[in-house]
Amino acid sequence: DVKVTQSSRYLVKRTGEKVFLECVQDMDHENMFWYRQDPGLGLRLIYFSYDVKMKEKGDIPEGYSVSREKKERFSLILESASTNQTSMYLCASSFDRLTAYEQYFGPGTRLTVT
Amino acid sequence: GQQLNQSPQSMFIQEGEDVSMNCTSSSIFNTWLWYKQDPGEGPVLLIALYKAGELTSNGRLTAQFGITRKDSFLNISASIPSDVGIYFCAGQPGLDSGYALNFGKGTSLLVTP
Repeated sequence: DVKVTQSSRYLVKRTGEKVFLECVQDMDHENMFWYRQDPGLGLRLIYFSYDVKMKEKGDIPEGYSVSREKKERFSLILESASTNQTSMYLCASSFDRLTAYEQYFGPGTRLTVT
Repeated sequence: GQQLNQSPQSMFIQEGEDVSMNCTSSSIFNTWLWYKQDPGEGPVLLIALYKAGELTSNGRLTAQFGITRKDSFLNISASIPSDVGIYFCAGQPGLDSGYALNFGKGTSLLVTP
């Protein structure tokens, strides 16, 4: 079974803090994704990566950056957290280009920015 | 990305009943997927569809890729309490449009014993 893990299930940070969300997958997947999920808005893509050191902006990249130094790890960075970034953050991975859409999700990190 | 129209928004049914939900798009998709999300967890992939007209089953779940390529349906037969959760459809126009999925807003399913 594919295993996608996220570093924290719950996180509380203050406005202006730099926040790191970590995601690790153990199935040698090429593609990794970061989404945020908000009530009434569904899942929205922030960034994705299809290879080490490669990244692409999703629909809502403003206020976020990412890092992928190793194939199994994809980090989401909030440079200066704001209250409107309070959300559920979901990491996902998929095997390769041909199965790019069969994405496997981690359990999520519920981030609260106060 | 494009938001998909998913309906109904919520369903409240009795155990043993069959359930149907659907998802539509204003443009053609090459891939449709259905996910289920339990409270406090990430979505879990249920079924992936890659061909127009395709009908695929996974246990009591059956999903179809609409012939127009603009819609998809998910049916759950003989529902049980553990079917409770939010069901999301997701679609993708094709690899030329990148890797990102477009998601519906979800159908919340409640099942009473």
